Amino acid sequence: NAGVTQTPKFRILKIGQSMTLQCTQDMNHNYMYWYRQDPGMGLKLIYYSVGAGITDKGEVPNGYNVSRSTTEDFPLRLELAAPSQTSVYFCASRKTGSSTDTQYFGPGTRLTVL
Amino acid sequence: AQTVTQSQPEMSVQEAETVTLSCTYDTSENNYYLFWYKQPPSRQMILVIRQEAYKQQNATENRFSVNFQKAAKSFSLKISDSQLGDTAMYFCAFLGPGNTPLVFGKGTRLSVIA
Repeated sequence: NAGVTQTPKFRILKIGQSMTLQCTQDMNHNYMYWYRQDPGMGLKLIYYSVGAGITDKGEVPNGYNVSRSTTEDFPLRLELAAPSQTSVYFCASRKTGSSTDTQYFGPGTRLTVL
Repeated sequence: AQTVTQSQPEMSVQEAETVTLSCTYDTSENNYYLFWYKQPPSRQMILVIRQEAYKQQNATENRFSVNFQKAAKSFSLKISDSQLGDTAMYFCAFLGPGNTPLVFGKGTRLSVIA
C-alpha cells in the first residue's frame, strides 16, 4: 500500500537554485494538495488540484509552480529558492465521497535553503 | 471562509490518564467533515479520527473519541489511557463540501509524562 509518496525526503538548496518536489499517489484520487509547514506552525496550503489539467492557488503560492498532467502525479516546482522557503513540504490526496471523504498525507520533504 | 481555532497551544497529561483537546470552527455550511490529525516527531501526518457533520453520533477509534457539538461548532478530542506514544502535535481540521481544501487549526502540542 504505497498511498502518497514524496521524493526526496531531505534536500539542501543554495539561494537561487531550482528544484522539483515529486508527489505521487496510487489511490486514483482526483484531488491533490501541497502544503508547507514552518517550524512550530500549522500547515499552509500552497497549491491544489481537483483533477488532471486543473490547478489553483492556495494561501501561499508565491515562489512556487505546479502542474498536473496525470491523476497520479502532482509535482511542486521552486524556481529561485529563497531562505524563506525553508520548510517541510507535505503533499496530500483526497478521497471524495459522501461517507468516506478523507485527506491522506505523504511523509513530507524537509527543504533547507542556505 | 472557514476558520479552525485550537485554543490550547500546549498540554500535558500523565500516562494512563485522560486528556481533552479543544477545537472550535466557524462555518455557514451544513454538510462538512471534521478531522483530528496527529503529527509525531517524525513529522508524518496521521489521521486519528473523522466525523461527518450529518451524523449526531460521536466518532470513536479505540482510545480516541470526539465530542461533536454541531450547534456550538465545537469538536474536542478525548484521549483515554494516555500512552507515551501519544506525545505529538494534534491538528484539528475542517473539510467543506465541493473542492474546498482542508483548513487546519494551529495545533496543540501534547506531552504524555511517565
